[in-house]
Amino acid sequence: AQSVTQLDSQVPVFEEAPVELRCNYSSSVSVYLFWYVQYPNQGLQLLLKYLSGSTLVKGINGFEAEFNKSQTSFHLRKPSVHISDTAEYFCAVTLGGSSASKIIFGSGTRLSIRP
Amino acid sequence: DTGVSQNPRHKITKRGQNVTFRCDPISEHNRLYWYRQTLGQGPEFLTYFQNEAQLEKSRLLSDRFSAERPKGSFSTLEIQRTEQGDSAMYLCASSRTNGTGQTYNEQFFGPGTRLTVL
Repeated sequence: AQSVTQLDSQVPVFEEAPVELRCNYSSSVSVYLFWYVQYPNQGLQLLLKYLSGSTLVKGINGFEAEFNKSQTSFHLRKPSVHISDTAEYFCAVTLGGSSASKIIFGSGTRLSIRP
Repeated sequence: DTGVSQNPRHKITKRGQNVTFRCDPISEHNRLYWYRQTLGQGPEFLTYFQNEAQLEKSRLLSDRFSAERPKGSFSTLEIQRTEQGDSAMYLCASSRTNGTGQTYNEQFFGPGTRLTVL
């Protein structure tokens, strides 16, 4: 079975500072990896995904993530955050290839931006 | 905008009552998923359909929960004899499959139905 661990439940940062949200996953088979964002009172929006190929994945809103198979990690980074990045961020995984179906989510990291 | 829609957006009920939620997926999406999200947690998978067939159910889906997708379009999720522990956000998502599995087809999420059981 697959699982996802988000190591930080809350991350406070100052505006324009860099941020890294940490994510580790566990799986005995190949998986696809995702980061979703959830703004207050809204649904989930896909930030970026890793399916295969280059381990550095770029997403929307200036976010990027790096897949590290040896460390089973998929950390999310942004070089300079804005107030509008305040949201809950979820790391997630699903089975790779034609088996892809349900998504397993981490418990989330709340990113709060201080002016 | 023809995204995933869910109704109602909010539902308050008393313990022991039955509730039903509806999800309308993106047109021509043959897969439909239900997830539940409790406060401070990530969404948890409940069940999914491919067309009208229910292909997988989580152990979280107790006997009081039932989901249907009778014509392969919209879906309903019913909770019978609600309990306070059922209070959560119920999310629906849809995607399409291309049959080959060579590309990943993104799941698009609806805004959710927030259930409060008093």
